[in-house]
Amino acid sequence: AQTVTQSQPEMSVQEAETVTLSCTYDTSESNYYLFWYKQPPSRQMILVIRQEAYKQQNATENRFSVNFQKAAKSFSLKISDSQLGDTAMYFCAFMVSGSEKLVFGKGTKLTVNP
Amino acid sequence: DSGVTQTPKHLITATGQRVTLRCSPRSGDLSVYWYQQSLDQGLQFLIQYYNGEERAKGNILERFSAQQFPDLHSELNLSSLELGDSALYFCASSAQGNNQPQHFGDGTRLSIL
Repeated sequence: AQTVTQSQPEMSVQEAETVTLSCTYDTSESNYYLFWYKQPPSRQMILVIRQEAYKQQNATENRFSVNFQKAAKSFSLKISDSQLGDTAMYFCAFMVSGSEKLVFGKGTKLTVNP
Repeated sequence: DSGVTQTPKHLITATGQRVTLRCSPRSGDLSVYWYQQSLDQGLQFLIQYYNGEERAKGNILERFSAQQFPDLHSELNLSSLELGDSALYFCASSAQGNNQPQHFGDGTRLSIL
């Protein structure tokens, strides 16, 4: 069974600074996908970024980037130039290729302080 | 706005009752997924439908059932409700093709009194 671990229940960062959220996963599969979802207080689940395991290049979406270390089974999210609107729960998620079932971590609550 | 519509936004009912949650996927999406988010279990996959057919099943209780209709909207039926069923229920949809990103609705908050 696949598991996703987010070891930081809560984090905080000052506006305009950079923060990194950690995620590790456990799987015996070789083909899979990794995601970060954001859940603001409005409770929507918003896709932030997606990484295919077969791609060595780390995914980037504007201020959001990942550090994907396949051998270490690590998938961290870096948020640059943090904004107040980044305050949210962040969930790391895993999907085996072909399964279409997302397995989520417990989440990290990020607070961006002015 | 993800394009996935869930109704109702909030539902309050009593133990032993039955409720139906509704989901309309994004235009063109054939796959619909249901997830449960609770404080103790976190976000858990319940079930997936693809073009009207059940595709995958997760940790879904026997008291729960779902279906996807010809117009592709889906309903999640929860019966014999217990206090522990109180949770946020999300519907997500994705386009055809392997491992397309899932786009989530705003969820239905179910409170059992």
